[in-house]
Amino acid sequence: QVQLQESGPGLVKPSETLSLTCAVSGYSISSGYYWGWIRQPPGKGLEWIGSIYHSGSTYYNPSLKSRVTISVDTSKNQFSLKLSSVTAADTAVYYCARQMTTVTTPCYFDYWGQGTLVTVSS
Amino acid sequence: EIVLTQSPATLSLSPGERATLSCRASQSVSSYLAWYQQKPGQAPRLLIYDASNRATGIPARFSGSGSGTDFTLTISSLEPEDFAVYYCQQRSNWPPEFTFGPGTKVDIK
Repeated sequence: QVQLQESGPGLVKPSETLSLTCAVSGYSISSGYYWGWIRQPPGKGLEWIGSIYHSGSTYYNPSLKSRVTISVDTSKNQFSLKLSSVTAADTAVYYCARQMTTVTTPCYFDYWGQGTLVTVSS
Repeated sequence: EIVLTQSPATLSLSPGERATLSCRASQSVSSYLAWYQQKPGQAPRLLIYDASNRATGIPARFSGSGSGTDFTLTISSLEPEDFAVYYCQQRSNWPPEFTFGPGTKVDIK
């Protein structure tokens, strides 16, 4: 059974960098699939942040691209998110997820972590 | 950017009734559309992918249809556990970008 678990600080100060890690169990990241980050502000809808392949190939949401870095560590079977220069608008539940592919292109999110709330506040 | 619109925003129904949810894309997404269910305090769950394929373990009462710009999720007979928020999600061709609709809340009448 594929399981994903987000971890990282629950409180980040404005202008600082948000850093989260997603540990994957039950499946080797090196075996394939893309791996993504999605966020959900309290009481609002879902927003895709970005996705990464085990080779390191990435796709980012254009609206966040200048502030986002996603990386992968296959030796630890985990991938990470960094979001710089955060503001209160970045307060959200952050989810990591496995992303199914159609042919070779990432598509849908079939396994999700439970999510972690990150609050941006001084 | 492809924008997804979902209607209605809220659907009030009773258990046993049929639910029909709509998702419309601002431009064609072919069949690259998925539906998710989200309950309070939980992560979304994939229900339907490629517009009409049920994900693993999803009951047959959930079905999806459509292509191009207009899509429908149908729940043939609502069970108590089906009352939740439903989101559609698309994948644009190139570069791959993924957007979600604003959601439809199915609540108990």
